[in-house]
Amino acid sequence: QQQVKQSPQSLIVQKGGISIINCAYENTAFDYFPWYQQFPGKGPALLIAIRPDVSEKKEGRFTISFNKSAKQFSLHIMDSQPGDSATYFCAASKTSYDKVIFGPGTSLSVIP
Amino acid sequence: GAVVSQHPSWVICKSGTSVKIECRSLDFQATTMFWYRQFPKQSLMLMATSNEGSKATYEQGVEKDKFLINHASLTLSTLTVTSAHPEDSSFYICSASPGLLGTQYFGPGTRLLVL
Repeated sequence: QQQVKQSPQSLIVQKGGISIINCAYENTAFDYFPWYQQFPGKGPALLIAIRPDVSEKKEGRFTISFNKSAKQFSLHIMDSQPGDSATYFCAASKTSYDKVIFGPGTSLSVIP
Repeated sequence: GAVVSQHPSWVICKSGTSVKIECRSLDFQATTMFWYRQFPKQSLMLMATSNEGSKATYEQGVEKDKFLINHASLTLSTLTVTSAHPEDSSFYICSASPGLLGTQYFGPGTRLLVL
């Protein structure tokens, strides 16, 4: 059973456009929702994270929107750049320091 | 920011041999370390959780006798793949957490190829 669902599997966006990745979870015990960026051959790097008591969090070009009642959250990348081309994972955890359950990932390609 | 290192970054071994992968937290003490495995084009799957000085907790379906985890100090955890087989070839990633003091940090990963 997939605890964290993610869509789309792959995404192609033009430079300057908005990239949107959606995720959903089932376990209401999850209380911390990070997003990770991973380049080929590298470990994942934390991009931004949110807790359910906040509906939106913005850091630079990255924004997380959170809908607690629907158990859904999404990542918006504004002004997408070719350097943003990577695999993005949404994830869920009970705390910021607990084990992380990853979504299946979204491969983002930003084309010039 | 906090740094987690892994050694080696790449390892190739023959089928039947054992391989040890190290995970170190360089500038903080990690009360808990996690080991993940990632197959090509797939997500990270948690293998086990280790706390310093105690036995690791393995996820369902992970063979504890095959994947030996030792968390001997607050800055070092090791994963030993015993009697490795080609199907164990994967990208192994650790993460370290300082516990209540903050979030966890991921290492750069170790690519294992078993011939």
